[in-house]
Amino acid sequence: GENVEQHPSTLSVQEGDSAVIKCTYSDSASNYFPWYKQELGKRPQLIIDIRSNVGEKKDQRIAVTLNKTAKHFSLHITETQPEDSAVYFCAASHGGSQGNLIFGKGTKLSVKP
Amino acid sequence: DTGVSQNPRHKITKRGQNVTFRCDPISEHNRLYWYRQTLGQGPEFLTYFQNEAQLEKSRLLSDRFSAERPKGSFSTLEIQRTEQGDSAMYLCASSPISGTMYEQYFGPGTRLTVT
Repeated sequence: GENVEQHPSTLSVQEGDSAVIKCTYSDSASNYFPWYKQELGKRPQLIIDIRSNVGEKKDQRIAVTLNKTAKHFSLHITETQPEDSAVYFCAASHGGSQGNLIFGKGTKLSVKP
Repeated sequence: DTGVSQNPRHKITKRGQNVTFRCDPISEHNRLYWYRQTLGQGPEFLTYFQNEAQLEKSRLLSDRFSAERPKGSFSTLEIQRTEQGDSAMYLCASSPISGTMYEQYFGPGTRLTVT
């Protein structure tokens, strides 16, 4: 079946450093790629997304890049802060933009002060 | 709070019992999704509705699971004859269908423990 691979599974950085999380997907029809942040015991929160008609999107310290040819996309967090510590999930839409989402297994990001 | 809400937040049940969860989406969101999340994993799709119509069910969804959205607003997810393997967080999400707006917003989830 269709799947999304996410790496690394854990990532530890010093405050102020950058963090990069990478995902690959298998469904050629996927055209919507959101990223969610989930703190312990809380709901997944949408932090940024990208559609297949663009290659990059930025929102303050967060950016996402998409390479449709290679079927991979990445999350970049600059100037990390302790409150960025959480589990981050990438996802790809199944069968087009309005389908259900297929999630990666998550990356636990720890930002050390 | 105008976000997605779910009830109950926690449910402990004995194996073999039936349980029902409720999800109230963001008002005017046409689509409603159910996902299941186990520890250390990403959410896994179960089923989704557009208005009252159930458009897709995961092949992984056992026939012990049933979902409804009778009036196109709130939804219920029922699990019959629960098993220990059903223990998980059940997440609901809603999404608008309007132009290019199709972001999914999640509720807080219902944590099910089957003993």
